[in-house]
Amino acid sequence: GAVVSQHPSWVICKSGTSVKIECRSLDFQATTMFWYRQFPKQSLMLMATSNEGSKATYEQGVEKDKFLINHASLTLSTLTVTSAHPEDSSFYICSLGLAKNIQYFGAGTRLSVL
Amino acid sequence: GENVEQHPSTLSVQEGDSAVIKCTYSDSASNYFPWYKQELGKRPQLIIDIRSNVGEKKDQRIAVTLNKTAKHFSLHITETQPEDSAVYFCAASMNTGRRALTFGSGTRLQVQP
Repeated sequence: GAVVSQHPSWVICKSGTSVKIECRSLDFQATTMFWYRQFPKQSLMLMATSNEGSKATYEQGVEKDKFLINHASLTLSTLTVTSAHPEDSSFYICSLGLAKNIQYFGAGTRLSVL
Repeated sequence: GENVEQHPSTLSVQEGDSAVIKCTYSDSASNYFPWYKQELGKRPQLIIDIRSNVGEKKDQRIAVTLNKTAKHFSLHITETQPEDSAVYFCAASMNTGRRALTFGSGTRLQVQP
């Protein structure tokens, strides 16, 4: 069964609205979660590293005020895309990071901004 | 930071043939190298991984080789089947704590029946 549950799997929204994506760890304590973004026919690019109880660390070029990450518990990390625009349309995937680099990916969220 | 390059970007083989995908990395501190298979719209699935203390690892039709001196690693799939068709990504990371992965650009493998 799934180790990480990610919701929603698909969302369509109007430009200017905000979208929240949730990732829940079902079997392990989610001390560390990674958020990746994948544009069509491209690779997965790390957006941010989320640590439980502390502020997320964002990769260069990723706006922290636009992509809000909350990781207040050991089972849930959320990514909120604020004021979404068409260029934010992408496949967003979370990953639970465990020791020895073991990672469990969520099923991904396809965001389409009209 | 780490940079991972992957070749080829597309690969078409006949069913039963072998497929080889190659990756190079830049950071000599990297010591964990997984390979993922991703089908359209789905999460990446780990198919095999290798750590720097070994040079080769095999799991049935899939094998990975690692050359730390040259900083490159390769995925070998033998006796390919149509269901092997997917996008394959290599990745690299440091084997300390919980580290994010740096992915290669991906290879679209098409196995022709």
